[in-house]
Amino acid sequence: SQKIEQNSEALNIQEGKTATLTCNYTNYSPAYLQWYRQDPGRGPVFLLLIRENEKEKRKERLKVTFDTTLKQSLFHITASQPADSATYLCALGLGGGNKLTFGTGTQLKVEL
Amino acid sequence: DSGVTQTPKHLITATGQRVTLRCSPRSGDLSVYWYQQSLDQGLQFLIQYYNGEERAKGNILERFSAQQFPDLHSELNLSSLELGDSALYFCASSVVSNFPEAFFGQGTRLTVV
Repeated sequence: SQKIEQNSEALNIQEGKTATLTCNYTNYSPAYLQWYRQDPGRGPVFLLLIRENEKEKRKERLKVTFDTTLKQSLFHITASQPADSATYLCALGLGGGNKLTFGTGTQLKVEL
Repeated sequence: DSGVTQTPKHLITATGQRVTLRCSPRSGDLSVYWYQQSLDQGLQFLIQYYNGEERAKGNILERFSAQQFPDLHSELNLSSLELGDSALYFCASSVVSNFPEAFFGQGTRLTVV
């Protein structure tokens, strides 16, 4: 069956450390993968997109990697801050109209 | 502010009733997507419209329907509501692109009692 798995348990890290979130998928062949941030009661906000032929993308303190052999994406936030606390969702772009298939998300808590 | 507007923000209704959720996409975006988010299911794709035409369908129940109007706003109609339909309903829009990013509205929280 098709699955997108993200750490179901919350990730707690200390301010200033690097947070690493994982997205694993099975039985999908995505054309691209996106990461979104979602705060409680609000809509997801786009962060980064990486295409199937790209290995790594960076934007400010964010970095995403994409390994289509391992069927995995890693999302890194360096020098994390309490304001980074949120739920992070990975989403696969499967083509055919560009609908996104989302993982269940990982809650990140950055503590002082 | 994503530029996507959803109304209403909150809706409380009884089982068996019918409701309509409204979405205005970002200016210039031709694609509109509807998603349902519940605690146990995560964010589930329901349906996509592109320039007035249905483009893709997800796990949308037969009791649910949507349409996109000539001015590109979209409505999601939910009928014969059940307790299990209680969820956050999000609308998103995007430009026409091979690698679009989706801009989400703030959602409509539907509570069925």
